Amino acid sequence: EIVLTQSPGTLSLSPGERATLSCRASQSVSSSYLAWYQQKPGQAPRLLIYGASSRATGIPDRFSGSGSGTDFTLTISRLEPEDFAVYYCQQYGSSPVTFGQGTKLEIK
Amino acid sequence: QVQLVQSGAEVKKPGASVKVSCKASGYTFTGYYMHWVRQAPGQGLEWMGRINPNSGGTNYAQKFQGRVTMTRDTSISTAYMELSRLRSDDTAVYYCARDRGDYGSGSYDYWGQGTLVTVSS
Repeated sequence: EIVLTQSPGTLSLSPGERATLSCRASQSVSSSYLAWYQQKPGQAPRLLIYGASSRATGIPDRFSGSGSGTDFTLTISRLEPEDFAVYYCQQYGSSPVTFGQGTKLEIK
Repeated sequence: QVQLVQSGAEVKKPGASVKVSCKASGYTFTGYYMHWVRQAPGQGLEWMGRINPNSGGTNYAQKFQGRVTMTRDTSISTAYMELSRLRSDDTAVYYCARDRGDYGSGSYDYWGQGTLVTVSS
C-alpha cells in the first residue's frame, strides 16, 4: 500500500501568514489522485483539494494544491482564524485508499 | 442539499457486532459509491472499504476482510456497515463518505456526522 508521510507534524503560525504543508508518498500516486482535507475538533473532515490541485466547491482561493508523483503541497496563502485545524492528505489512485497521519496547524 | 445522516452512538462488549447506518438525501443514492472511514480517538483516518449502491458490489481493506460487511437498501437510500468480533481497538468514530468520482475511485465530497462506537467490557 502507498504510505503517505505528512510534514511537519505541527505548524505554528499567526493569522495572515502563509502555510505550506507537505505530503510525500512512498510510491508514485497515479493520475495525481491526491486530495487534502481539513478537520476541526468534533467535526467530519471537509474536502479542500482533489486531483492534487483542484479546489472543491465553496473552498476559498487562499487554499491551493500542487505537486505530482510522490511530492505534494497544500498552501494557504494568508491564514484566517478559521483555518487552524488538522489537515490530512489522501491518495485514492491505488487500493487501499490511504491517508497521511495529519498536520496540526495551530495559532502561534 | 446533499446530506448523510448516521445512526447514533453505540456501546458494545468485546466479541459483539455493531451495525451503523448512513441515510443519504439530496441526490441519487445509486449514482455514487459510498465509503466507510474510521478514526480512533486522537488518531488519523483509516479507510475500511466501499460499496457501489447501484450493484451492491463491495471492496474491503484487507485489514477488515472477514469482519466487515457493507450493504445498502436502495428503497430507503441507506448504506450500512457492520463490524463483527469487536475488540477494544475498534473504539472509534465511524464515518460514511460519498465518493465524488464516477467509478468509486474519487475523493469524498460529503461526509456523515460520524458515529462513535465504544467497545468496552
